[in-house]
Parts: sequence; structure tokens; C-alpha cells
Amino acid sequence: GEDVEQSLFLSVREGDSSVINCTYTDSSSTYLYWYKQEPGAGLQLLTYIFSNMDMKQDQRLTVLLNKKDKHLSLRIADTQTGDSAIYFCAESKGKLIFGQGTELSVKP
Amino acid sequence: KAGVTQTPRYLIKTRGQQVTLSCSPISGHRSVSWYQQTPGQGLQFLFEYFSETQRNKGNFPGRFSGRQFSNSRSEMNVSTLELGDSALYLCASSSTGGELETQYFGPGTRLLVL
Repeated sequence: GEDVEQSLFLSVREGDSSVINCTYTDSSSTYLYWYKQEPGAGLQLLTYIFSNMDMKQDQRLTVLLNKKDKHLSLRIADTQTGDSAIYFCAESKGKLIFGQGTELSVKP
Repeated sequence: KAGVTQTPRYLIKTRGQQVTLSCSPISGHRSVSWYQQTPGQGLQFLFEYFSETQRNKGNFPGRFSGRQFSNSRSEMNVSTLELGDSALYLCASSSTGGELETQYFGPGTRLLVL
């Protein structure tokens, strides 16, 4: 199947950590991506992880991959109001298969 | 390097008309993919072009078509517009479009069909 699923909403306080979760169904996917979309804008690549990795850290972003459970998560440390956006996970199979997006709201 | 550019950014059309959207990839990138984003269906793959050839196609009706020029710029065309075609159309480019490559997105063209 080609379903990638995410929870739709997440609300956090400024300074807290945010964790956005994603599940996918195709275990043969080689790369998994996180994109960010701000209102009225296109998609900005945040980070990606190769399927043979368990974790990848990039400044405030940490990606965890559990291949057994087909579960991907994005942790944003010290979340700021500027992080408010919609976050999409995607698996790559030549084309990108996207989740529905998680709207992150950061309250001051 | 300049990013992916799309023109126009906004467009209003009426039902039955046709529309052409343009995408210029990052310099040196030869693969261009198009996606449609709607509130109901989310982000869906339309098609991918590489070296002026359509290499992959999503599940959209034949009213949606595209092409790629020798300079890698791509256009997509939608004929006989329907209200449901109102969406944000995003294009993405990568070097060769392989599975191991990252796709970089443009800002999108927002199409409103009245």
C-alpha cells in the first residue's frame, strides 16, 4: 500500500519539545523525509533519514526511525513560535508519498 | 543557486477553460515532478519528467498533461477546468529524479476555478 499517516494537530508551549509522529506501510522505502509548509508557501525540506539508520540529529531536529513498526518521528527541541507550520512526512518511491500533514501550533 | 521557480503564483480561471503552469528547476537539475495539494486529498503526485520524457505518472485524468523542454523547464496543462481542480500546484526538481535523491520544491501556483 501507499498510505502514510500522521496525526492532524499538535499544540505545544514555546520552549517545549514537539514530537510529530508518522506511520508508513511500505517497508521497501529507502528514504523518509520531513517537509515543512508555512502558510501560503511551498514545501521546505527539513531533514531526511536513510532506511538503514535508526536516528539522525540535525541541530534542533531529531528523527527516529523504527523500521519494525514502520514508525517515523520528528522531534523539535526548544520549539519556537516560528516553528508553527504544517509538517509532512513522506516516503520516496521515485515519487514522494506524503502523509496528511500535522499542523503544529506553538503558543507563547 | 536559485531555487525552483513557478509562474504564475496565483491564477483565477472559470470552469471549462484551460490553464498552463510553468516551472523552472534548480540549475543543473533534469528531473521535474508535479504535485497537486488540496485540503481534501492532500498532496498527490501528478507526473515526473526527465530529459523531456514523462517517466512516471500519477492517477489523474487525461485533462492533466505536461511537458518538459530541452532546458529542463516544465509546463503542466489542465484542460476543461473543473471546480475540483482548485488547488496549490507544486513542482519539485532533483538532479536525476532517482529514489535516492532529494526533491526541492517551488513556492507553488495557487489556482482558483470559479
